[in-house]
Amino acid sequence: AQSVSQHNHHVILSEAASLELGCNYSYGGTVNLFWYVQYPGQHLQLLLKYFSGDPLVKGIKGFEAEFIKSKFSFNLRKPSVQWSDTAEYFCAVGDSGNTPLVFGKGTRLSVIA
Amino acid sequence: NAGVTQTPKFRVLKTGQSMTLLCAQDMNHEYMYWYRQDPGMGLRLIHYSVGEGTTAKGEVPDGYNVSRLKKQNFLLGLESAAPSQTSVYFCASRGPTNTEAFFGQGTRLTVV
Repeated sequence: AQSVSQHNHHVILSEAASLELGCNYSYGGTVNLFWYVQYPGQHLQLLLKYFSGDPLVKGIKGFEAEFIKSKFSFNLRKPSVQWSDTAEYFCAVGDSGNTPLVFGKGTRLSVIA
Repeated sequence: NAGVTQTPKFRVLKTGQSMTLLCAQDMNHEYMYWYRQDPGMGLRLIHYSVGEGTTAKGEVPDGYNVSRLKKQNFLLGLESAAPSQTSVYFCASRGPTNTEAFFGQGTRLTVV
């Protein structure tokens, strides 16, 4: 069975600091990888996705993620965070057969001025 | 384009009451899912459907039932609500291979 680990439960950063959120998954086959963001009181929105090709994926709002197959990782990065990035971030994995996505427990990001 | 719509958005139930949560999508997606979100637990899959007339159990199906009579709708039922079912429920749908899931706005359910 697939599983997803997000190692950071709560991250607190100052504005303009760099961000890296860890995500590791366990699945031996071809994977689809996602990062979703949930702003306070809202639903999940897609930040970026990886299906194949270039392992460095760029998403919305300046976020990017790198797929490292040998490490089963898909870490999320942003060079300079803003207060508006305060949210909860979820890593998810699925296979190419459209089985349900499996989510990590989430990382809460708090950006302070 | 509405995407995925959930009704109701909020509900308070007494223990033992029943209710149905409705999810509707207008993207002609085959796959639909119900998740629950609890603090520190992430999203956990309750039930899912791979097409009209089909349903399957997810990670935490106990106490819930589902039906997918029409392709665009996926209903989640609680026959006898329990306080442990207090949660935020999200519906999602997904289209062809190698696409992302789209989420509804969520239903906040409190069982007292």
